[in-house]
Amino acid sequence: GAVVSQHPSWVICKSGTSVKIECRSLDFQATTMFWYRQFPKQSLMLMATSNEGSKATYEQGVEKDKFLINHASLTLSTLTVTSAHPEDSSFYICSASYGSWSYNEQFFGPGTRLTVL
Amino acid sequence: SQQGEEDPQALSIQEGENATMNCSYKTSINNLQWYRQNSGRGLVHLILIRSNEREKHSGRLRVTLDTSKKSSSLLITASRAADTASYFCATVGGNAGNMLTFGGGTRLMVKP
Repeated sequence: GAVVSQHPSWVICKSGTSVKIECRSLDFQATTMFWYRQFPKQSLMLMATSNEGSKATYEQGVEKDKFLINHASLTLSTLTVTSAHPEDSSFYICSASYGSWSYNEQFFGPGTRLTVL
Repeated sequence: SQQGEEDPQALSIQEGENATMNCSYKTSINNLQWYRQNSGRGLVHLILIRSNEREKHSGRLRVTLDTSKKSSSLLITASRAADTASYFCATVGGNAGNMLTFGGGTRLMVKP
């Protein structure tokens, strides 16, 4: 149980285009989803936290107009990289959790590798 | 932002040897977790240790936590080539809900 999928697993796009990445919880309802970015040989950096039906909370330094997050349902969150540039090339990972405020495990998706030419 | 540091950044050992990775953090925590990431893949949750626990075991994994020193260690015994991966510690703060803050990671290579 507690499986999280991401689609696509990899994407190559031209500079200036927008790319949408989907994160789905397959067998549970995710009240909270998290989006991380990971550059090669580096750790995961939290970009934003989203709760179903409300606006995402972005970490300092993350442009909310560039990285649009929509958590429209309890099983789906999307991250749209708008007007992508080569420096946006990275590995994007989502995670999902369920339950109340107190700690609940995050279940991670397999990641999406974005390459912007 | 990253909570802590992991040490070493890279570790290369022979199959059968033990691997020890350390993690330090800066603020008070509710719990600390260890994850494994194979190259280009997502994260696999290994073990969680709560702030009131000092040691935890899971198979060949042993995790210790010293809250007075704000540090944790992950020991993998009798390593296998399949253990080759990056290992990350992540903390959940006392008042941060379930938000994870990751350390820099240790890249482990186990040579057959």
